Amino acid sequence: EVQLVESGGGLVQSGRSVRLSCAASGFTFREYAMHWVRQGPGKGLEWVSGITWNSDTKGYADSVRGRFIISRDNAKNSLYLQMDSLRTEDTAFYYCARDKPGTYLPDYWGQGTLVTVSS
Amino acid sequence: QSALTQPPSASGSPGQSVTISCTGTSSDVGAYNYVSWYRQYPGKAPKLIIYEVTERPSGVPDRFSGSKSGNTASLTVSGLQADDEADYYCSSYAGSNIGVFGTGTKVTVL
Repeated sequence: EVQLVESGGGLVQSGRSVRLSCAASGFTFREYAMHWVRQGPGKGLEWVSGITWNSDTKGYADSVRGRFIISRDNAKNSLYLQMDSLRTEDTAFYYCARDKPGTYLPDYWGQGTLVTVSS
Repeated sequence: QSALTQPPSASGSPGQSVTISCTGTSSDVGAYNYVSWYRQYPGKAPKLIIYEVTERPSGVPDRFSGSKSGNTASLTVSGLQADDEADYYCSSYAGSNIGVFGTGTKVTVL
């Protein structure tokens, strides 16, 4: 069974940093691209970032480019999102999601971790 | 990277069909056959129900179907059931390792 468990969320002040982690199990992590997707309270889904299986290629939404960095450690079956210069509009549930091979889009999702950015 | 446009709401009676549109541009929906649809219940993670425009993952009933014409993709839910009441989101590959989601549609079963 595919499992994705996010951690690292919490309350943080505007301008500070947070690092999210996602622990993957139930599949061969090193063979899959991965994504981060967020959802503000009462809002829709927003694709944040994606990374290929070998970290060769990374993509970012315009709203986070230059502030967020995605990375992975295939030896630890883990995905990360380093979030710097946080803004109040970054407040959201952050979901880790596995890529559906060949589609560049997610299939399985974790349950999310909430990041609240206060002013 | 503008969000894909979906109607805010859609509804139908049990047994009827509802179709949700997802309008993008020639740089995303119109450019690639990488359109996915997700269902999300309140407080839960999204679940993939359609990928590559028309394909259903294992376990998703054939009541769910997808299509695309030009810059607009569509999801049709046939034989509406009470547990189809949820939020539905489309998404598309937008090139350069970028993804984009739709604005979301709340489906109500009357």
